Amino acid sequence: DAGVTQSPTHLIKTRGQHVTLRCSPISGHKSVSWYQQVLGQGPQFIFQYYEKEERGRGNFPDRFSARQFPNYSSELNVNALLLGDSALYLCASSPGVGRSSGNTIYFGEGSWLTVV
Amino acid sequence: GQQLNQSPQSMFIQEGEDVSMNCTSSSIFNTWLWYKQDPGEGPVLLIALYKAGELTSNGRLTAQFGITRKDSFLNISASIPSDVGIYFCAGNYGGSQGNLIFGKGTKLSVKP
Repeated sequence: DAGVTQSPTHLIKTRGQHVTLRCSPISGHKSVSWYQQVLGQGPQFIFQYYEKEERGRGNFPDRFSARQFPNYSSELNVNALLLGDSALYLCASSPGVGRSSGNTIYFGEGSWLTVV
Repeated sequence: GQQLNQSPQSMFIQEGEDVSMNCTSSSIFNTWLWYKQDPGEGPVLLIALYKAGELTSNGRLTAQFGITRKDSFLNISASIPSDVGIYFCAGNYGGSQGNLIFGKGTKLSVKP
């Protein structure tokens, strides 16, 4: 079975540009979360979506937005890119949103974004 | 905001040694997870803990959810070279289950 898949794996953007990152969850998983990981730090929570609705939002500016599609895949959009947005963007999926052993969160390999 | 203190920040291991690392939080957590991340890859789940006092093993790895619900530890027994990498603790204190708070990581390297 395929794990969480993300695209693109690497990309370079210029300050002020916009970027869209894509994620396909594990088959059967309905929840997708996005994280930003700056070099040398642990991942930081950006958004969680479940059944196409936003279920949680981290402390990120409005330049960051996301959505989830009927097939449970998701997009993360970042507008007006800043140099500080350079990071590994991780997508994670889980079957649902409840706190149980059945809802363990699995991560994809990430999209490396470099802003120059 | 919520903080996780993970220690040690880094450690060197010699093959066959046992390794221990831990995390403490400023608040009560409902879930503790341990991940390993290799360079250029996403975090891989090692162990998930959902109940205070829970002790769970995965091969040579053992992790416990502290009774106070504010801490967790991960032990690796008889380390091998492929154990090298960065280990992260992560927890959830309520709210959205997908909203994990991560520690800063423990970097395991081979002793020169």
